[in-house]
Amino acid sequence: EDKVVQSPLSLVVHEGDTVTLNCSYEVTNFRSLLWYKQEKKAPTFLFMLTSSGIEKKSGRLSSILDKKELFSILNITATQTGDSAIYLCAVEAYYGGATNKLIFGTGTLLAVQP
Amino acid sequence: DTGVSQNPRHKITKRGQNVTFRCDPISEHNRLYWYRQTLGQGPEFLTYFQNEAQLEKSRLLSDRFSAERPKGSFSTLEIQRTEQGDSAMYLCASSRNQMSPSPPEYFGPGTRLLVL
Repeated sequence: EDKVVQSPLSLVVHEGDTVTLNCSYEVTNFRSLLWYKQEKKAPTFLFMLTSSGIEKKSGRLSSILDKKELFSILNITATQTGDSAIYLCAVEAYYGGATNKLIFGTGTLLAVQP
Repeated sequence: DTGVSQNPRHKITKRGQNVTFRCDPISEHNRLYWYRQTLGQGPEFLTYFQNEAQLEKSRLLSDRFSAERPKGSFSTLEIQRTEQGDSAMYLCASSRNQMSPSPPEYFGPGTRLLVL
């Protein structure tokens, strides 16, 4: 069965700290890996990764994928209280025809204290 | 606002009642997805439409659940004879029938269902 596992489940840091969130997966027909940030509402898109070893950056956030070891990390540097959220990892899997779907992990709850 | 919209945003109902949720995807998107998210869990796939055709249904979608997308635009998700275990956030997402590396799914704000 396809699955996505995130660690840690929760994390409490102080402003200015750097954090690394982990996502490992076992998916039969991998197409891409995505990171989302979820505050009080629906997930908002952060990154999509399809190739190994190519880092994607957006401000203080960066992410990289290792398709050989089947994992990805999301780094956040100089954390701010506004980074507090649940960070969801999802793998897009191909199931034949025109059907792709996202398989989500349970998320990492990040709390950044002032 | 040209994003995905969902109505209602919140719904409280008594066990045994029927409820219907609506999702309006981004206008040029022909793929529409329903997910369910319970507390402390990531979203779980329920069903998927390409235009008006429902191409896949998760085994999570019991026969009390039905989804439609009659004209290939908005979609409805109906839950009949609701149970307390149906309490969750119901998320709709849409995407283009795309080959480009854009995010495959844009999520709506969700409908939070509470079954008493």
